[in-house]
Amino acid sequence: EVRLVESGGGLVKPGGSLRLSCAASGFTFIYTMNWVRQAPGKGLEWVSSITSTSDYKYYADSVKGRFTISRDNAKNSLYLQMNSLRAEDTAVYYCVRDVLDWGQGTLVTVSS
Amino acid sequence: QAVVTQEPSLTVSPGGTVTLTCGSGSGPVTSGHYPYWFQQKPGQAPRTLIYDTTKKHSWTPARFSGSLLGGKAALTLSGAQPEDEADYYCLLSYSGFHVFGTGTKVTVL
Repeated sequence: EVRLVESGGGLVKPGGSLRLSCAASGFTFIYTMNWVRQAPGKGLEWVSSITSTSDYKYYADSVKGRFTISRDNAKNSLYLQMNSLRAEDTAVYYCVRDVLDWGQGTLVTVSS
Repeated sequence: QAVVTQEPSLTVSPGGTVTLTCGSGSGPVTSGHYPYWFQQKPGQAPRTLIYDTTKKHSWTPARFSGSLLGGKAALTLSGAQPEDEADYYCLLSYSGFHVFGTGTKVTVL
């Protein structure tokens, strides 16, 4: 069974940083992985993708230059380093395998 | 990045059929956009229903199907059930980048 468990969310002040993690299990960790977010009461927004060997990384314009996606295949883990956080980054962040399987999400709140 | 549009809301009768569409502001949607469809119920994480235009996930009920229709991606629900009431999102891929649609709220009434 595919299992994706996000962690690292919480309350952070504007301008601050946070690192999200996603622990993957139940499958061979060779897929493209994604982060998707959903602001409270809003729709889904794709944030970033990383290919299986980290050769290619893609970012939405809204986070480019502030967020960095990475993975550790030896640890079956995906990460999202978020810097210069803004109020509009407040959202539930989902770890998604190949846009097929979703974690339950972790809430990030950016507020003073 | 591209704008992907969906109907804001649709209503279907129990047992009825409804088609949701997903359009791209940059031109016709093709199989090269690898259209995805997701279902999200209140308080839950999204679930993938359809990927690569027509392919179904292991848990996708047979009453859901995906297609291309008139330059858009389409999700058809045939024989709607009360439990199908949810928000539905599409996603299109643009050479590594992805864009979600604006979402459609489907009411079964």
